[in-house]
Amino acid sequence: KNEVEQSPQNLTAQEGEFITINCSYSVGISALHWLQQHPGGGIVSLFMLSSGKKKHGRLIATINIQEKHSSLHITASHPRDSAVYICAVGGWNTDKLIFGTGTRLQVFP
Amino acid sequence: DAGITQSPRHKVTETGTPVTLRCHQTENHRYMYWYRQDPGHGLRLIHYSYGVKDTDKGEVSDGYSVSRSKTEDFLLTLESATSSQTSVYFCAISEGGRRNTEAFFGQGTRLTVV
Repeated sequence: KNEVEQSPQNLTAQEGEFITINCSYSVGISALHWLQQHPGGGIVSLFMLSSGKKKHGRLIATINIQEKHSSLHITASHPRDSAVYICAVGGWNTDKLIFGTGTRLQVFP
Repeated sequence: DAGITQSPRHKVTETGTPVTLRCHQTENHRYMYWYRQDPGHGLRLIHYSYGVKDTDKGEVSDGYSVSRSKTEDFLLTLESATSSQTSVYFCAISEGGRRNTEAFFGQGTRLTVV
């Protein structure tokens, strides 16, 4: 079993829909990262969080440390949100991140 | 955008040849990382550096070596490229590893070994 699991692996939506991507992890962490990768593109950091909730524009990230679970929400989705969303965790005693395999999101007009 | 540049962006090479990928940063961040990205796998760490001349292995380090002679440059070398090393390679930087600061990624290098 991977230490970081994302669901779903693939997601399609119509423009305007509310999107939720989930990330569960099995290790103790000091922070969780959400990253975005457009097709053929580089990787961009969206959020880094260790508790509670963060919001940036139409994106919201939440984390529940006790349940070892995080969600990334996209409100009023748009075709330009189509990308792979990657969850990664940083452990307490490591300089390294552990990555999930990503969720591929396609938003259709 | 964080100042991080990878070169080359694309490369095709023959099996058995040496290949060096370069990661250059202008942020003066202490930590630099090399990852590979393959279908069905998350990003996997090859090697990382926590300072000039200070490097350590990641989970998929076999067949790769690295060097960091200056803060701004982190080189990844495939001594003798194999087809299994065909992948997309990403460099990342962060200010402090265990302090869990934000990570910034390069645009990636697509390497094909034929």
